[in-house]
Amino acid sequence: AQKVTQAQTEISVVEKEDVTLDCVYETRDTTYYLFWYKQPPSGELVFLIRRNSFDEQNEISGRYSWNFQKSTSSFNFTITASQVVDSAVYFCALQSYNTDKLIFGTGTRLQVFP
Amino acid sequence: NAGVTQTPKFQVLKTGQSMTLQCAQDMNHEYMSWYRQDPGMGLRLIHYSVGAGITDQGEVPNGYNVSRSTTEDFPLRLLSAAPSQTSVYFCASSSADRGYGNTIYFGEGSWLTVV
Repeated sequence: AQKVTQAQTEISVVEKEDVTLDCVYETRDTTYYLFWYKQPPSGELVFLIRRNSFDEQNEISGRYSWNFQKSTSSFNFTITASQVVDSAVYFCALQSYNTDKLIFGTGTRLQVFP
Repeated sequence: NAGVTQTPKFQVLKTGQSMTLQCAQDMNHEYMSWYRQDPGMGLRLIHYSVGAGITDQGEVPNGYNVSRSTTEDFPLRLLSAAPSQTSVYFCASSSADRGYGNTIYFGEGSWLTVV
């Protein structure tokens, strides 16, 4: 069975701190995709990144970076120098190679205080 | 958002009433789906469609009905609303470009309360 676990329910940090959101997944597929979405207080879901299971290179986009490790089935997300605008719920999701269905984790609520 | 439109944004229903959540996308995407979001449970797939005339059940389909008569539209019908269907509903769409892992784009959500 496929599963995504986000063990951190809520994280609070002070602005400018670095923060890492953990994501652990389970799948028997050899080809799959991993996603991160952001849900700000306004409620919409914002796509952040998609990662192919064959591409284990870490990715950096501005203050955001992602660490994909197949050996530990993890796809962690780090925000460097956090800002109040980063306050949101962040979802990690898993997708099999042959479907567009997403399996979501339960989300991590990040609160960044000034 | 990338062209997925949901209506209404907010709705209050009485138990037993029926209603339809509308979803339309203008990206010519083949794949469309409906998810519900409940506290502490993330998003769960209700129904999905891989193209006009084709629909299938997701993880939590009971109490919901869908149809896909056009590529653009994928309405979700609540047949007889129950308080357990109080949730936030998201419509999503994606292209069928399998080689790159299909990015799924979500609508802005519909907040439904059943009293």
